[in-house]
Parts: sequence; C-alpha cells; structure tokens
Amino acid sequence: DAGVIQSPRHEVTEMGQEVTLRCKPISGHDYLFWYRQTMMRGLELLIYFNNNVPIDDSGMPEDRFSAKMPNASFSTLKIQPSEPRDSAVYFCASSLTGGYTEAFFGQGTRLTVV
Amino acid sequence: EDQVTQSPEALRLQEGESSSLNCSYTVSGLRGLFWYRQDPGKGPEFLFTLYSAGEEKEKERLKATLTKKESFLHITAPKPEDSATYLCAVAWNTGNQFYFGTGTSLTVIP
Repeated sequence: DAGVIQSPRHEVTEMGQEVTLRCKPISGHDYLFWYRQTMMRGLELLIYFNNNVPIDDSGMPEDRFSAKMPNASFSTLKIQPSEPRDSAVYFCASSLTGGYTEAFFGQGTRLTVV
Repeated sequence: EDQVTQSPEALRLQEGESSSLNCSYTVSGLRGLFWYRQDPGKGPEFLFTLYSAGEEKEKERLKATLTKKESFLHITAPKPEDSATYLCAVAWNTGNQFYFGTGTSLTVIP
C-alpha cells in the first residue's frame, strides 16, 4: 500500500479564496482523521470519520471549515473563505480501528494564506 | 480535562549519550499510547504502541515503556540520524481519536 496520500503538498492562496485539501486513506482503514499542525499549538484534531461518517467535528475552528468523506477512499477538507491565520500544515491520517491501533499519517499539505 | 504533556521540549545529546524522553498523561481510561517520530517537512512516522502498564517495546536504539501515569522513550547510544521531533499520542476509552503532546525536539551532535 502506498500509505496515506495527500494533495497538494503545498498551497499558496490569497485571503478570501476557497481552498480544498484532499486525502486518500490506506485501503481497509475505517477511521480517517484531519489534523492541523502549527508551532504554537502542535497537532490539533479537527475532525474524524468512521466508515465515512463524521463522528466528532468539535475541533473544526469555524464554519469556514468543512470536511467530507464521500467514499472510503477519499476525503476533502475545505476552507472558505481562507484567512492568513489558517496558514499551517494540515495532515490526514487513517487507522484500522480508531484508538485501538495506530494511525498512519500522510505527508501533509503546507497551506499559506497571504 | 485530559492532557498529554511531553518533556523536555528540546534535548541536545552527544552521539552515544543515552537519555530518555517523557510523556505523562492524566488518566480517564487509557486505550493506547503511541510514539511517533517526525522529521522536518514530513508527517509523523509511527514507532510504537503500548496498551498496559509494564509493557515495553523496542526497535533498534529505541525502547518505549509505560506506567499508569507516564511513558518513557529511552534512546540508547543515539546517532545523528536519530535527530527528529518525537511525539506521543494517547487514545482514551471515551473515544476513538488520538490526542498528541507537543513533542520533544531531539538533536544528536556528532
């Protein structure tokens, strides 16, 4: 398996624009997590899915953020409109059985909003 | 509130100088504790999973241990290539998500 695949690796956008981050989890993993990493706050959980259903989105900072998982092999995180404070590295991770087994991370998307 | 705390924030070692990193947690029912290594510009790379107090896991120069309140990552005779940020994460019995500490940045000097 190629592991968790994220795209794009880097994204630079202007404030107010819509940004869509994409993730392909490891095949067979039932859990998918979206994290945001910054120097100040470390790794923060934004939302996670179980069998394509959003379970906990309490970490999503504002209504500007939304996430979907239309099928078992694809998820998106959308920010609309984007703001400079959204600049961070966004990671997607997947796990076979949630908190019982380890999560595997993608390489991340470095988002810069100018 | 459940928390995960890692110490020290940063550690500089001479090559060959063994040391330990700490991950402490407030317990509300631990489901699992996970150690990761993160290199600059990359995603966290899984190292170990520990489930119960007294459990130990080893891989090359790394050994992870777990007690009821904390976990240690022991690094024996480190090499420069061990330089990275080491993260620990916990999963509680109340949910399926992983909560991460802020990490220890390790630098091993040749």
